[in-house]
Amino acid sequence: ETGVTQTPRHLVMGMTNKKSLKCEQHLGHNAMYWYKQSAKKPLELMFVYNFKEQTENNSVPSRFSPECPNSSHLFLHLHTLQPEDSALYLCASSQETSGSPDTDTQYFGPGTRLTVL
Amino acid sequence: AQKITQTQPGMFVQEKEAVTLDCTYDTSDQSYGLFWYKQPSSGEMIFLIYQGSYDEQNATEGRYSLNFQKARKSANLVISASQLGDSAMYFCAMRESSTGFQKLVFGTGTRLLVSP
Repeated sequence: ETGVTQTPRHLVMGMTNKKSLKCEQHLGHNAMYWYKQSAKKPLELMFVYNFKEQTENNSVPSRFSPECPNSSHLFLHLHTLQPEDSALYLCASSQETSGSPDTDTQYFGPGTRLTVL
Repeated sequence: AQKITQTQPGMFVQEKEAVTLDCTYDTSDQSYGLFWYKQPSSGEMIFLIYQGSYDEQNATEGRYSLNFQKARKSANLVISASQLGDSAMYFCAMRESSTGFQKLVFGTGTRLLVSP
């Protein structure tokens, strides 16, 4: 595997279900990100992890719970979601979060298309 | 206020022609970075090109170039010799140094359709 991978690619869940999204990066990066992409809205940053530590929670509801066990893996645990949470969830990684263009370009995975019924 | 504005919801171009996708931005930072990403129907956001606010020359990457006009706060993407595979959504994004970490703000995107 190369780059950033995400599983599953598609997920349909009911509002009472609990599910998890998985992201894995094979780039040797230290920072990982979750984004939400809803129809007709700009990409929204949800969470940032730098060296496994959460450095940003962009006012995300608690029904979304991230987990970063190491610099290569990032999870998004989902429970009691709402239909408006249906969206494409994108994971990204970068070498670090220093603000240098050479190290801070974010590389994205293919996303998980989530539908909440 | 929206920080990245992409005013073209859709653009059409014929194969082998050049096309310009518009992006304007708003920031009070002196140091910032501008990115363009391509998103095919498969969903993955593919990094295309980067322009730093202090870069004196316009960035180029193969068929992609960025027309950076700092005074006008615009960072338009130019795709030369369009190919059918260029059909996708294109997003402009900005990183501001004041945020302290790598926070990208995205525009709403432009859908490009390349016809034979």
